[in-house]
Amino acid sequence: GAVVSQHPSRVICKSGTSVKIECRSLDFQATTMFWYRQFPKQSLMLMATSNEGSKATYEQGVEKDKFLINHASLTLSTLTVTSAHPEDSSFYICSARTPENTEAFFGQGTRLTVV
Amino acid sequence: AQSVTQLGSHVSVSEGALVLLRCNYSSSVPPYLFWYVQYPNQGLQLLLKYTSAATLVKGINGFEAEFKKSETSFHLTKPSAHMSDAAEYFCAVSEGNTDKLIFGTGTRLQVFP
Repeated sequence: GAVVSQHPSRVICKSGTSVKIECRSLDFQATTMFWYRQFPKQSLMLMATSNEGSKATYEQGVEKDKFLINHASLTLSTLTVTSAHPEDSSFYICSARTPENTEAFFGQGTRLTVV
Repeated sequence: AQSVTQLGSHVSVSEGALVLLRCNYSSSVPPYLFWYVQYPNQGLQLLLKYTSAATLVKGINGFEAEFKKSETSFHLTKPSAHMSDAAEYFCAVSEGNTDKLIFGTGTRLQVFP
């Protein structure tokens, strides 16, 4: 199957700083990427849908100015958590798919800890 | 709106026993249904998917699931549990070949020797 790589896998940052998480499709072109957030022992919640070359579509309740998404190429989407606070600590997972594929391929996730 | 309900947040079985993880869905259009497995601190791996073809779907690692429209169910089964099956399992639904996956709350499977 296709491979989606996330980087970094773990990051610790100070409160008030910004953190960028990268999501790359390694062996296919992903016109659409998705960002999920997972709290401990809970399910994945879709944050936003990212389409290459256009603005991301955010789910209700997700602050677009806080969670900046850029999908500048067909193989890379980035999520930047701006002015991070401890409540932003979570597991962030991206996934990617192509229009002809019914399957979304997931990255290995990034655990963000804000101290 | 679509939704997924996973009955039972925790399931415990003995090694070699039958595994049954329940998933019921709600969808106003023919759904695509998925089962994913997640190991600690890792992303999700697709076990199997239903995309309106055969109602009995076979996946990886000996898992299979049956789509039952009359019961709006897509339960995951495995005849004989292995210790390595211990993980979190998520059922998900999407509106056909579209963007969003709506996940259930997950079921943690424990396998005892």
